[in-house]
Amino acid sequence: QVQLQESGPGLVKPSETLSLTCTVSGGSISSYYWSWIRQPPGKGLEWIGYIYYSGSTNYNPSLKSRVTISVDTSKNQFSLKLSSVTAADTAVYYCARSTVDTAMAYHYWGQGTLVTVSS
Amino acid sequence: DIQMTQSPSSLSASVGDRVTITCQASQDISNYLNWYQQKPGKAPKLLIYDASNLETGVPSRFSGSGSGTDFTFTISSLQPEDIATYYCQQYDNLLITFGQGTRLEIK
Repeated sequence: QVQLQESGPGLVKPSETLSLTCTVSGGSISSYYWSWIRQPPGKGLEWIGYIYYSGSTNYNPSLKSRVTISVDTSKNQFSLKLSSVTAADTAVYYCARSTVDTAMAYHYWGQGTLVTVSS
Repeated sequence: DIQMTQSPSSLSASVGDRVTITCQASQDISNYLNWYQQKPGKAPKLLIYDASNLETGVPSRFSGSGSGTDFTFTISSLQPEDIATYYCQQYDNLLITFGQGTRLEIK
């Protein structure tokens, strides 16, 4: 059974860079798309971006200037960096897996990790 | 960018009722539309993919239909455990968008 687990600091200061890692177990990171999705407290889901195992990426246009997603196939991990954070970036961050042949549906999700931006 | 308009934003229904949620895309997305259920404090769970395909293990009372710009998600007979927020999600031109969500409550 595929499992995803987010890890990283739960508190980030304004203007700094948020960094999270998603570790994939129970399956290979190869041949799939790997996404980051976030949800501010009490609000809806926002897609941040995805990376294919080969390294190609696509980002939400509204976040593109601040986002970098990378993959480490040797560790079965992928990562998110979001720069110049503000309080508006406070959210639960999820990692998830999808395939293009099912309309990029997210069949597998991590449990989510709350990141708070505050001084 | 494609915008998704999901309605209603909230819904109250009785156990056994038929419940319908709609999602409208701002342009044709073929059948690239998925539906999720999210319970408080939990990650979303995929219910329907490619507009009408039931994810493995999901009860058959859940269904989806539509193509192009108009999509419908239906619960044929509402159960107490279906209380959750439901989201649509589209994929087109390499980008992904979620609907605003529909909060479903028991009357």
